[in-house]
Amino acid sequence: DAGITQSPRYKITETGRQVTLMCHQTWSHSYMFWYRQDLGHGLRLIYYSAAADITDKGEVPDGYVVSRSKTENFPLTLESATRSQTSVYFCASRTGPVAYEQYFGPGTRLTVT
Amino acid sequence: AQSVTQLDSHVSVSEGTPVLLRCNYSSSYSPSLFWYVQHPNKGLQLLLKYTSAATLVKGINGFEAEFKKSETSFHLTKPSAHMSDAAEYFCVVTANNFGNEKLTFGTGTRLTIIP
Repeated sequence: DAGITQSPRYKITETGRQVTLMCHQTWSHSYMFWYRQDLGHGLRLIYYSAAADITDKGEVPDGYVVSRSKTENFPLTLESATRSQTSVYFCASRTGPVAYEQYFGPGTRLTVT
Repeated sequence: AQSVTQLDSHVSVSEGTPVLLRCNYSSSYSPSLFWYVQHPNKGLQLLLKYTSAATLVKGINGFEAEFKKSETSFHLTKPSAHMSDAAEYFCVVTANNFGNEKLTFGTGTRLTIIP
């Protein structure tokens, strides 16, 4: 299906485990983003990527790792999950540096116990 | 630096009455402003955008917003609320700072529609 997809949609993991959240888009957009959504904070940018093999930190990058070997995929890894990383994670993409329209995935709800 | 403040965390209106969701922004550069909507357990969808053209912006589903530079505001309105408007609404600002534009989100306003 065309668009931007995330997997899994729901995940429960234990403190200290490594978790990878997947994001895939079919538009060949250059830019991709990872956000987390928490009550009282809106969405906060974790990492973003301007193209394959180009990534940069956002507002809250600590504890997260990203990679982008292919334009269409942008996985987010929690190297050692903590309870404070319990959140809803959104992936997004857009065509270029100008943020006229950014498309969001359906989100992944992650619970760290 | 840029920021956005949504003045109400929760708004309740009766079906058929007007909707007003308030947003103030701060930006060091000429801003672009957006409203996004998030229905329960869904991703975010763009409602409308202001990008330095007309100050009154019309969006989807009958929503509109007016950019007021003197008041640094970008309030979202709709003349008549519908039950399907119940959702979380985010005001978003970005600025052309000669590099990659990043969106800065407000904390959201939950809109409840009373039948």
